[in-house]
Amino acid sequence: QVQLVESGGGVVQPGGSLRLSCAASGFTFSSYGIHWVRQAPGKGLEWVTFIRYDGSNKYYADSVKGRFTISRDNSKNTLYLQMNSLRAEDTAVYYCAKARVAYSNYVGYDYWGQGTLVTVSS
Amino acid sequence: EIVLTQSPATLSLSPGERATLSCRASQSVNNYLAWYQQKPGQAPRLLIYDASNRATGIPARFSGSGSGTDFTLTISSLEPEDFAVYYCQQRSNWPDTFGQGTRLEIK
Repeated sequence: QVQLVESGGGVVQPGGSLRLSCAASGFTFSSYGIHWVRQAPGKGLEWVTFIRYDGSNKYYADSVKGRFTISRDNSKNTLYLQMNSLRAEDTAVYYCAKARVAYSNYVGYDYWGQGTLVTVSS
Repeated sequence: EIVLTQSPATLSLSPGERATLSCRASQSVNNYLAWYQQKPGQAPRLLIYDASNRATGIPARFSGSGSGTDFTLTISSLEPEDFAVYYCQQRSNWPDTFGQGTRLEIK
């Protein structure tokens, strides 16, 4: 069955860095784009970034552009999110989520990980 | 950026009743709209994509309708497990955006 497992969350000081990972299994990872979505405590969902199935295109929310970098290693079935210059407002649960249709980005993320909590605090 | 506005913010209903949730876009998203359900401590679950197509395994009591700027999620007869927060999401233009959510609570 499809599984997405995030890791790498934790507590970091403002201005610090963190790298999240998302390990995928149960589907052909190299055929699907993947998103990162975050949710601040008690708040709604915020899309963060997307990477195409082959890593050729990446998209970012304005709130993280220039600070966060998405990447993937299709040989390891793993997605990454490098987060630099972290701010208090980046505190959230970070989910990776799989695009519904292979080789495309049609609407709908059909599988989500359980999330990893990032806390930015001094 | 396309803004999605969901209404009402909170909906209080009883099991067996019909629920109607609304999502309005600041500009047309054609039918590139999805709905998700999220329960406390869990990841969101995809319910509806392309405005009206049920995702795999979603019960028939969930239905979606609309196009352009106005969309509706209907739950025909509420089951106890349906009380949760519901989000709409658009994929017409980057960035993808979500509505602020509608909390469906037991009356």
